[in-house]
Parts: sequence; structure tokens; C-alpha cells
Amino acid sequence: DIQMTQSPPSLSASLGDKVTITCQASQNINKYIAWYQQKPGKAPRQLIRYTSTLVSGTPSRFSGSGSGRDYSFSISNVESEDIASYYCLQYDNLPFTFGSGTKLEIK
Amino acid sequence: EVQLVESGGGLVQPGRSLKLSCAASGFTFSDYYMAWVRQAPTKGLEWVASISYDGGSTYYRDSVKGRFTISRDNAKSSLYLQMDSLRSEDTATYYCTRAMMVWGQGASVTVSS
Repeated sequence: DIQMTQSPPSLSASLGDKVTITCQASQNINKYIAWYQQKPGKAPRQLIRYTSTLVSGTPSRFSGSGSGRDYSFSISNVESEDIASYYCLQYDNLPFTFGSGTKLEIK
Repeated sequence: EVQLVESGGGLVQPGRSLKLSCAASGFTFSDYYMAWVRQAPTKGLEWVASISYDGGSTYYRDSVKGRFTISRDNAKSSLYLQMDSLRSEDTATYYCTRAMMVWGQGASVTVSS
């Protein structure tokens, strides 16, 4: 199974900051990584697929990059509505595997 | 509007069975592979099973192989998860997903005596 090491586990940011979350795969995942936002009590929502493609409706302040084993997800100009947990998912190989999540809080 | 609505969750004793359903609407169901993902209380996300667009291929995580069965009825635009020999560690919210892109609201399953 491919392991996805996500960091940091939590993040505290001020409104307007830029924050970055990373995921490292245990092997090359050929850019098949997606990023999800999950607010408390809600279902996850896909924001980005195939490393950097924004899903329809995703604000442009969200972005993704990477290749091989190393990937990152950023939020520029953090807004209050961005308070949530964020997860990466590799879908290059079954079983699909998620990162352990990053909880974003506002200072 | 694309919608996925899960049903069938509840409280069940260890060793017993439960069947989850997911009703899809707003898109051509038979065009997509479907999957179940679960989330234990206060934990992260875990892929459970996937099924091809025509139901001909199914895939499971090791911990549910032989106990869970994913199936679909394209005529009814519905996805199912038959869960047998349930264990306490299967306690979670189960999400139906369209190709890991669109998610339902989740169905809660609690396995406890």
C-alpha cells in the first residue's frame, strides 16, 4: 500500500496569510493526488484533483503543485470560511490512501 | 443537481449484518465508478471499496475483504454496501462517492453490544 505522509497535523494562521500543507507518498504517484476540505459534521469536498486542477467552484486562492513523491497544497489570503480539516488522497494505485489530515485554525 | 443520498445506517451488534444504500441523481449513474469511504469518530478518511461503472470489477481494502460486498444497480441509480460479520472497528460514518469527486452526506454505523 502507498503511504501518504501529510504535514503539519495542525496549522494556525491569521486572516490573509498564506499556508502550505505537504504530502509525501511512499512511492511515485504520477501526480494522481487530490485535496479535500472537510468542515465539522460535513462530508469532504474535493478542491483539487490531478495535483493542480481546481474543481469547479474552488476559489482561486487554493492551489496545488508537485510531482513524483512530493506534493503541496496552499491557501493564499486565508479567509475565515477556510477553517476546516484538509486531506490529501493518492488515487494512482489501489488501495487509495489518504493523508492523516491537517486542521487549520485561525489565530 | 448532482446528489448522493445514503441510507441504512444504525446501531448493530458485533457479528451482525447491515446494508447501506446510496441513491444517486442528477447524472448518468452508469458512466461512473463508485466508491465507499469511511471515517471513524474523530479519525481520518479511509477508502473501503470501489466498483466499476458496470459492476464487473470490485475492489476492497484488506480489512473488509470477505466481509463487505459492494454492488450497484444501474437501472435504479443505486450503490450498495453489504456489511457482514461487523466488528467494533467498523464503527464510522460511511460516505458514498462518485469517483471520489462527489460525496454524499454520510450514513452513521455503530457496532456495539
